[in-house]
Amino acid sequence: GAVVSQHPSRVICKSGTSVKIECRSLDFQATTMFWYRQFPKQSLMLMATSNEGSKATYEQGVEKDKFLINHASLTLSTLTVTSAHPEDSSFYICSASQPYSNQPQHFGDGTRLSIL
Amino acid sequence: AQKITQTQPGMFVQEKEAVTLDCTYDTSDPSYGLFWYKQPSSGEMIFLIYQGSYDQQNATEGRYSLNFQKARKSANLVISASQLGDSAMYFCAMRELPSSGAGSYQLTFGKGTKLSVIP
Repeated sequence: GAVVSQHPSRVICKSGTSVKIECRSLDFQATTMFWYRQFPKQSLMLMATSNEGSKATYEQGVEKDKFLINHASLTLSTLTVTSAHPEDSSFYICSASQPYSNQPQHFGDGTRLSIL
Repeated sequence: AQKITQTQPGMFVQEKEAVTLDCTYDTSDPSYGLFWYKQPSSGEMIFLIYQGSYDQQNATEGRYSLNFQKARKSANLVISASQLGDSAMYFCAMRELPSSGAGSYQLTFGKGTKLSVIP
């Protein structure tokens, strides 16, 4: 069964709307979760590292005011795309892992975001 | 500089044949982990196999095996007896360990290889 649950799986909305994506760790407590963005036919690009109880760490070039991350509990991280525009349309995917080197990151099923 | 290099944008393999997907990596850290993930067209990332830098033996998981050549910094994925369901994108990824031994472990992904299995 799924180790990481991500919702919604698909969102289509109008430009200017804010969209919230949830990422839940089902089988373990995840002090750290990761948010990625993937354009068609490209690799995953790390956007930010979500840390439980503290501020997220954003990668260079990622607007923290545009992509709000909240990690309020050990099993839930949320990504909010604020005032989304067509260029924000993409595939967003989260992951979580236990803090041991040989444990893989478990990924959610991703969210396809389409902004009209 | 790229940390993970996958030189094959696309590969074709006949059903039931074996195929090798290439991956080379770059790190100066002696402790690291290498992962392979499969991404079907539906988008989910499926963990396939893991190789630790200190592991003495090549990792194997069912039809998947990892040809780990540490001196060459390569970690090629071998899929035996290919099946139609193996058609997907395959990503090689590396995790470098912080010196403290604990904490967050970011993955660095290669650009991926699209595998197509031909009936």
